[in-house]
Amino acid sequence: EPEVTQTPSHQVTQMGQEVILRCVPISNHLYFYWYRQILGQKVEFLVSFYNNEISEKSEIFDDQFSVERPDGSNFTLKIRSTKLEDSAMYFCAGRAASLVNEQFFGPGTRLTVL
Amino acid sequence: AQSVAQPEDQVNVAEGNPLTVKCTYSVSGNPYLFWYVQYPNRGLQFLLKYITGDNLVKGSYGFEAEFNKSQTSFHLKKPSALVSDSALYFCAVRSSGGGADGLTFGKGTHLIIQP
Repeated sequence: EPEVTQTPSHQVTQMGQEVILRCVPISNHLYFYWYRQILGQKVEFLVSFYNNEISEKSEIFDDQFSVERPDGSNFTLKIRSTKLEDSAMYFCAGRAASLVNEQFFGPGTRLTVL
Repeated sequence: AQSVAQPEDQVNVAEGNPLTVKCTYSVSGNPYLFWYVQYPNRGLQFLLKYITGDNLVKGSYGFEAEFNKSQTSFHLKKPSALVSDSALYFCAVRSSGGGADGLTFGKGTHLIIQP
């Protein structure tokens, strides 16, 4: 069964540094998402991406964040200048074309900002 | 704005007993409702969904959920709990309308099945 994969599984960085989190969605998926989960808290929506552009973003997704799908397979989340409060688990998700389809999540990347 | 409430931080059930994990929601228009499960240090795993039709939906691992429009609820149930069901369960909602596609999650409920 195809799966969403994410790399790295754990990223440790210094405050102010740039990080790129990578995701390889399931091949027939067309809609892509990033969510984050701060330790002990609920999963929060960051951004959705379709047809090579952002279709929706939350208030969390400020100018420090960006997403792209550079080569038609990888889907990346970049944080330009990390802050302590960016420490969280980041999940990539994708779904197939129909709106009724569920989103499939990757295993997550744990980002620790020191 | 849409929202999900999971009123219980933790639910304790003896193995073999029925379990219920509660969820209520608020959304504009008709809802699409989902349950996901998260095991320690793992991602979110899809369990089941309600889109339309029969109010009782069945999903993976013997779980089912009942959609109640008048009570805006979507409680997760299982007739006989297993120790392996112990995990963190999230209810999520999105509107069936076009546009906003991100899921809104509840804060999660820890389900603990005692042997």
